[in-house]
Amino acid sequence: ETGVTQSPTHLIKTRGQQVTLRCSSQSGHNTVSWYQQALGQGPQFIFQYYREEENGRGNFPPRFSGLQFPNYSSELNVNALELDDSALYLCASSRLGETPGELFFGEGSRLTVL
Amino acid sequence: DQQVKQNSPSLSVQEGRISILNCDYTNSMFDYFLWYKKYPAEGPTFLISISSIKDKNEDGRFTVFLNKSAKHLSLHIVPSQPGDSAVYFCAARNSGAGSYQLTFGKGTKLSVIP
Repeated sequence: ETGVTQSPTHLIKTRGQQVTLRCSSQSGHNTVSWYQQALGQGPQFIFQYYREEENGRGNFPPRFSGLQFPNYSSELNVNALELDDSALYLCASSRLGETPGELFFGEGSRLTVL
Repeated sequence: DQQVKQNSPSLSVQEGRISILNCDYTNSMFDYFLWYKKYPAEGPTFLISISSIKDKNEDGRFTVFLNKSAKHLSLHIVPSQPGDSAVYFCAARNSGAGSYQLTFGKGTKLSVIP
């Protein structure tokens, strides 16, 4: 069973640029969520996708957008990067009907915005 | 406002003794509570959960207690082992939100001293 994989693991961008982070869900999982974890904080919910549709969104501006593909892989796009976007971005997959709230996280993509 | 609070940033415990990690919450709409463990350079991993209609759930060395009237939960680890050293996140699911939208606390770093 393949776990959740994310790429890239680390990247550096400058303010105003755009970034795309990628996630491959665990086999058999049909829901993917993205979380932002700033330094010293807990993960914060960005949004969730189910069957390629966004079905939940946290308190993040529209410049944070995402996609889920038919093979359940996913992308997180962030436009017009700001310094405060520097964080660890975590992708998590799950399957509806399993233990409520049980998420399987990837190792994360650490984004630094200069 | 922080809806899930972990007021102890760190905790040190001797190997073999009990570790007690605490968590408080404010939102009455939370229906599931979960604990995740995170090692450095890895994503969080699910540890144990409890439904809001229960007051205790046990899984091996790990027990979670829920005091709904006090809006407080705790994770007990008995006996503590050096491999338990990690950051522990308390998380809660909002019954009115998407199935996997979790609100996390800031985490407690547990150090188990051999």
